[in-house]
Amino acid sequence: EIVLMQSPGTLSLSPGERATLSCRASQSVSSSSLAWYQQKPGQAPRLLIYGTSSRATDIPDRFSGSGSGTDFTLTISRLEPEDFAVYYCQEYGETFGPGTKVDMK
Amino acid sequence: EVQLVQSGVEVKKPGESLRISCKGSGYDFTRNWIAWVRQMPGKGLEYMGIIYPGDSETRYSPSFQGLVTISADKSSNSAYLQWSGLKASDTAIYFCARRVSSTWYSYFDYWGQGTLVTVSS
Repeated sequence: EIVLMQSPGTLSLSPGERATLSCRASQSVSSSSLAWYQQKPGQAPRLLIYGTSSRATDIPDRFSGSGSGTDFTLTISRLEPEDFAVYYCQEYGETFGPGTKVDMK
Repeated sequence: EVQLVQSGVEVKKPGESLRISCKGSGYDFTRNWIAWVRQMPGKGLEYMGIIYPGDSETRYSPSFQGLVTISADKSSNSAYLQWSGLKASDTAIYFCARRVSSTWYSYFDYWGQGTLVTVSS
């Protein structure tokens, strides 16, 4: 069973800054199987990225994904106030990582 | 418009049984897997299992096998998550989600709003 690890656990940044979130898999995974979700308090998760780098419908282009093998990254180029949330990676529609909280410094 | 609408808040006692639902609309419900995801208070997302409403093929995460039952009724475009004997540790929000999948990729593109289940004596 693949285990996903996310780092850092919490990222404290200011609006306008760049956020770099990491997702590491315990073994190599297909780049087409890695997805990222955003969850805000009291809300359901929302799909951001699938297939490592494809943005879901209506996701702004400040969100981008990259990576291969065991190391994947979600980058938010310039944080907007609405981007402060928890982000989860997921492998092949099953295992989730523990999440990274992006909070406001 | 694709929508997944879940049943409402539940408050139950330990040992009681429960079934919560997830009703799909705006697409052919029989053609996509539906997943269930648990979120315990203050914690992350946990994949529980999936069902294909077209033929009711069901797969469970090893962590949840034998603890819950996933079912579907394609005539009512609904999927269900069921417990036969609730425990306090089942207290959580449960989400359903539509899975898009192929041999190479799989992800959840639409989610229900979540059902809060509280189990307390």
